[in-house]
Amino acid sequence: SQQGEEDPQALSIQEGENATMNCSYKTSINNLQWYRQNSGRGLVHLILIRSNEREKHSGRLRVTLDTSKKSSSLLITASRAADTASYFCATASYNTDKLIFGTGTRLQVFP
Amino acid sequence: DVKVTQSSRYLVKRTGEKVFLECVQDMDHENMFWYRQDPGLGLRLIYFSYDVKMKEKGDIPEGYSVSREKKERFSLILESASTNQTSMYLCASRSAGQGAAEAFFGQGTRLTVV
Repeated sequence: SQQGEEDPQALSIQEGENATMNCSYKTSINNLQWYRQNSGRGLVHLILIRSNEREKHSGRLRVTLDTSKKSSSLLITASRAADTASYFCATASYNTDKLIFGTGTRLQVFP
Repeated sequence: DVKVTQSSRYLVKRTGEKVFLECVQDMDHENMFWYRQDPGLGLRLIYFSYDVKMKEKGDIPEGYSVSREKKERFSLILESASTNQTSMYLCASRSAGQGAAEAFFGQGTRLTVV
């Protein structure tokens, strides 16, 4: 399987705290993307980082990428109860348009 | 507003039935995907299509087939449904090429095979 893995599987924090989730993948990539899924729904794209980038920001989101370790992290700062969702990383390779997802992290933010 | 529409939100089928899951996108995307989602396993790619009538197997194609006769429509077929195919099925589409960015997802079909 080409599927990547994310850790932790589940994360519970209080509002205002930061949440960090990590993604490891197996193949060389063109870019890595993070998605969010509210309970039982489709996924929504959050942010994309290309293989030649090391860090990217979007609002309260910060993504890092270490291609030598084949890993990425997503940091959500000053979390809110509305951030409660599952978060997935997905990788896109150079030689195919396939998009391969990880196993996901379930984030619970308590008010 | 971009849209990926899956034909059913919930579906209950009997073991051995032939099941069709339909997905339509209105963004003229070349690439379409079918994933299944199970607790603790994330999204696993079943099949990927990069053009009309063109397809590639994903990680778990066994027991499934696909059809893409028109660019906007990608169908997932369970030839003979089994209880271990009870799952959430997600369709997605995305433009092609190395500059391609985000995938757009349908709302999912929760299939129960009894």
